[in-house]
Amino acid sequence: AQTVTQSQPEMSVQEAETVTLSCTYDTSESDYYLFWYKQPPSRQMILVIRQEAYKQQNATENRFSVNFQKAAKSFSLKISDSQLGDAAMYFCAYRSAGDKIIFGKGTRLHILP
Amino acid sequence: KAGVTQTPRYLIKTRGQQVTLSCSPISGHRSVSWYQQTPGQGLQFLFEYFSETQRNKGNFPGRFSGRQFSNSRSEMNVSTLELGDSALYLCASSPQTGTGHEQFFGPGTRLTVL
Repeated sequence: AQTVTQSQPEMSVQEAETVTLSCTYDTSESDYYLFWYKQPPSRQMILVIRQEAYKQQNATENRFSVNFQKAAKSFSLKISDSQLGDAAMYFCAYRSAGDKIIFGKGTRLHILP
Repeated sequence: KAGVTQTPRYLIKTRGQQVTLSCSPISGHRSVSWYQQTPGQGLQFLFEYFSETQRNKGNFPGRFSGRQFSNSRSEMNVSTLELGDSALYLCASSPQTGTGHEQFFGPGTRLTVL
């Protein structure tokens, strides 16, 4: 069965610094998508970034980028120039074709002013 | 465009009762998924509906059921509530079903079972 593991329940980073959130997954599929979702306190969950497994180039969205290592089944999220508004719970998620989405247990990110 | 709406936002029930939660997707979205979020288990997938048909189902007992109407609105029902059903129930919609589509989440319904 597919699993998603986020080994860091909580992390803190100084404002304007860079932080990397880890995510590993287990699958025997070759065609799938990986996602990072952000859930701010008392606010709705939103998509941060997504990566298709077939694309070798790492996805980037402004200050957010991923390091996708398919062979190692690793999908980390790098946040550059951290801002106070980045404080949230971050969920890594996996979905293969025609199947349900599986979320990791999340990493709570604190931004220190 | 209005976002995903969920009603009610908060609900308190007692063990043994049943509850129905409602989700209105973003206009034009045909896929609706439901999730249970708890501190211990994180986010767990309940089911996905597309064009009134259940496409996927998570590993939850039969007490959890859902349906989707022709206007894409969806409801989920939990019968014979247990204390462990206390959770935040999230609904998410997307334009189509499929692997890479972004899901747009609602604010959730906070269910407390006493």
